Parts: sequence; structure tokens; C-alpha cells
Amino acid sequence: EVQLVESGGGLVQPGGSLRLSCAASGFTFSSYEMNWVRQAPGKGLEWVSYISSGAGTRYYADSVKGRFTISRDNAKNSLYLEMNSLRAEDTAVYYCAREDRAVAIFDYWGQGALVTVSS
Amino acid sequence: QLVLTQSPSASASLGASVKLTCTLSSGHSSYAIAWHQQQPEKGPRFLMKLNNDGSHSKGDGIPDRFSGSTSGAERYLTISSLQSEDEADYYCQTWGTSIRVFGGGTKVTVL
Repeated sequence: EVQLVESGGGLVQPGGSLRLSCAASGFTFSSYEMNWVRQAPGKGLEWVSYISSGAGTRYYADSVKGRFTISRDNAKNSLYLEMNSLRAEDTAVYYCAREDRAVAIFDYWGQGALVTVSS
Repeated sequence: QLVLTQSPSASASLGASVKLTCTLSSGHSSYAIAWHQQQPEKGPRFLMKLNNDGSHSKGDGIPDRFSGSTSGAERYLTISSLQSEDEADYYCQTWGTSIRVFGGGTKVTVL
């Protein structure tokens, strides 16, 4: 069974940093591209970042470019999101999502980790 | 610019059918999409991949009453025999060269 479990969320002050983790199991993690998606309170889904299976290619939404860094450790079956210079508008539930191997659609999701940026 | 447009809300009676629409922006009518369901207070769940020819493949355990179809730049999700647990937000999703895109979501209310 495919499982994606996020951790590392919490309350952080504006300008602060936080690192999210996503532990993957039930599939060959190193063979799949992965993404982070977020959802602000009461809002829709917003794509945040993508990383290729070997970590050679990374993409970011304009809203987080230069502040967030996506990474992965295939030996540990883990995906990460390093978030710096956090703003109030970064407050959201953050989901990790696996991409289908053939086309860039998300076929499995985690349960989410809440990040609250507030003083 | 790659944009997906969805109506904000839809409603239908218990046991009836509802058809949701996701419209691809100009120049992108051949794109495949995915449909995702998000029940209240839960994470999203993949429903199906929908190709531009109308063929679709569903996620694990998705009931037969969920189906997809296509017409030009429009991608549809039809939910038949509506159940109370189908009350949820539904999002379409696609991709570009270096981006992933979501529609704004449609909230389905079961009357």
C-alpha cells in the first residue's frame, strides 16, 4: 500500500524557517517524481514545487521561488521542503504528492502538515 | 498561459447525477488532466486521469459511479447515484513544462 506521511509542521514567526518531511512507503520511491502542494485556510490547492526522481530537476511556483528548496533522499525514501523567509501568506496545509510515471498527474497524496506563520 | 477553469459550486439530490466541468485555456485543448476529490477535513484523493480522447483510468478503489468524458477543451467528471459521502470539493489538475496547475475547485453539495 502506498503511503505518504508528512511531518515537521508547526507555528513559526514571520521571517523564520521550517523543514517539512514526507516519508514514503509501499513503492519504489527512487523511481518517482514528487511534488509539494499547499492549501491555505478556506482556499483551493496550490502547487508549490516538483523534484525529479534523481533530484536533477526541480521546479518552483513563483510565490516560493528563492525562499523554498525541495530535496529528497532516495536511500531514506524521504522528500523534504526547506522553507525560509516565511510569510503570513505561507500559512497552509502542505501535502506531498507522488506523480504518475507516465504523465505529470498526482496519483497519491499524503494527509498533510499544517504550517502556521504568525507572531 | 495554462489555466484550468471550474465553476465554484454544483448541487444535486441524493441518488441523482451531477456533471462537473473543467475548461482548459486556449491553446491547451489537447492536454490530459486529473480529477481529485477532497472531502471535508481530509487530504485530496486521486479519482482519475482523463485523456483528451475521453479515455480515463481511475485510482485505486474509485467506484464505477465516477466517470470522465471530454469535449474539445472541456473535461468532465460525472458522479452518478450521488451519495452523501460525495459531498466534497473536486479539483482538476494538469501540467506544463515546468509547472503543475490546479483549477479553482468545485464544491459539490448533496441535497
